[in-house]
Amino acid sequence: AQKVTQAQTEISVVEKEDVTLDCVYETRDTTYYLFWYKQPPSGELVFLIRRNSFDEQNEISGRYSWNFQKSTSSFNFTITASQVVDSAVYFCALSEAGQAGTALIFGKGTTLSVSS
Amino acid sequence: DVKVTQSSRYLVKRTGEKVFLECVQDMDHENMFWYRQDPGLGLRLIYFSYDVKMKEKGDIPEGYSVSREKKERFSLILESASTNQTSMYLCASSLFSEEETQYFGPGTRLLVL
Repeated sequence: AQKVTQAQTEISVVEKEDVTLDCVYETRDTTYYLFWYKQPPSGELVFLIRRNSFDEQNEISGRYSWNFQKSTSSFNFTITASQVVDSAVYFCALSEAGQAGTALIFGKGTTLSVSS
Repeated sequence: DVKVTQSSRYLVKRTGEKVFLECVQDMDHENMFWYRQDPGLGLRLIYFSYDVKMKEKGDIPEGYSVSREKKERFSLILESASTNQTSMYLCASSLFSEEETQYFGPGTRLLVL
């Protein structure tokens, strides 16, 4: 069965520290898609990145970077030089091929608190 | 930009009331979803729809129904609200393919007294 595990429930860092949020997934499919979302205190989930299972290249977007490793079924998210505005709940999610119209499978989220 | 709107940000209802939560998207997306989010449980799918008048049960459909009469609008109905339905409700939409990103609305925080 498909599953997404975010083992870190809460992380607290001080501004300018780097922080990595872990995501481990389980699926039997060879084709699947992974996502990261950010949920700030306002409540709306904001899309950050989508990655398909055939693309293992790491991605960098400003202070954000993602490390996808199929060998360990992980899709980790690193924030470099964290800022207070990065404080939010971050969700990792999975969807599988051949399941058009079905929902994402979410991890339980990691709450990141960045203090000044 | 994709825009998903929900009719209310905060709602307070009494046990036994019929509650309607409305969601509208403006990007002509085929798929629409309703999730609820609870502390420690993450997001769980209630229902989704892949076309007008089509619906599929998610993981926790009990106590809920949905309606999709128009492509842009997906309603979640609590037939008889109960206190255990106090939660954050999130609507999302996407294009039909499973690889497409789901875009979320701002959420409705429902309190059932």
